[in-house]
Amino acid sequence: GQNIDQPTEMTATEGAIVQINCTYQTSGFNGLFWYQQHAGEAPTFLSYNVLDGLEEKGRFSSFLSRSKGYSYLLLKELQMKDSASYLCAVASGGSYIPTFGRGTSLIVHP
Amino acid sequence: KAGVTQTPRYLIKTRGQQVTLSCSPISGHRSVSWYQQTPGQGLQFLFEYFSETQRNKGNFPGRFSGRQFSNSRSEMNVSTLELGDSALYLCASSRIGTNTDTQYFGPGTRLTVL
Repeated sequence: GQNIDQPTEMTATEGAIVQINCTYQTSGFNGLFWYQQHAGEAPTFLSYNVLDGLEEKGRFSSFLSRSKGYSYLLLKELQMKDSASYLCAVASGGSYIPTFGRGTSLIVHP
Repeated sequence: KAGVTQTPRYLIKTRGQQVTLSCSPISGHRSVSWYQQTPGQGLQFLFEYFSETQRNKGNFPGRFSGRQFSNSRSEMNVSTLELGDSALYLCASSRIGTNTDTQYFGPGTRLTVL
């Protein structure tokens, strides 16, 4: 099985930077995904990491360290619309189906 | 390009009944996955279909079943509903369901079991 941990809730100020961490324990790692989910809406894909390092995509960046079983999602220049749940998901064990963490609820306040 | 669609969007059933949910993937996508989302357990994988065959299965009881049609549309069925089945059921599609494929989620079906 897999164990995926991420903080339940985080708060940050508009314009600031926030880092959402995700740790996982798994065998046969096949990739790590980050999704954003606004309340009452479907998750939307943000990023995919399979190799160690940082992937930057606009205001969002995702980092992976396979040896440490660790990833983070970095959100810069926070906007109110970034208030959402951020889901970390890991594919492993010969399957490409990701297992999701419980998500981190990010609240951005003025 | 139209997104993933799910019907119905909301459903209310009573214990013991059965329910069928439908998912139409993005055109050209052949992999369809189903997830159950609850506040307590988060997003949990139910099963994945590819080319009308169940390719992966999560840890749910046999009351949960699904199928996929030749046009890649998929249905899931839950029999003998229990209160704990109340959840948001999400469908996601991808081209062929590999790790480099992006999954696109539908809006979900909110099922309430009374």
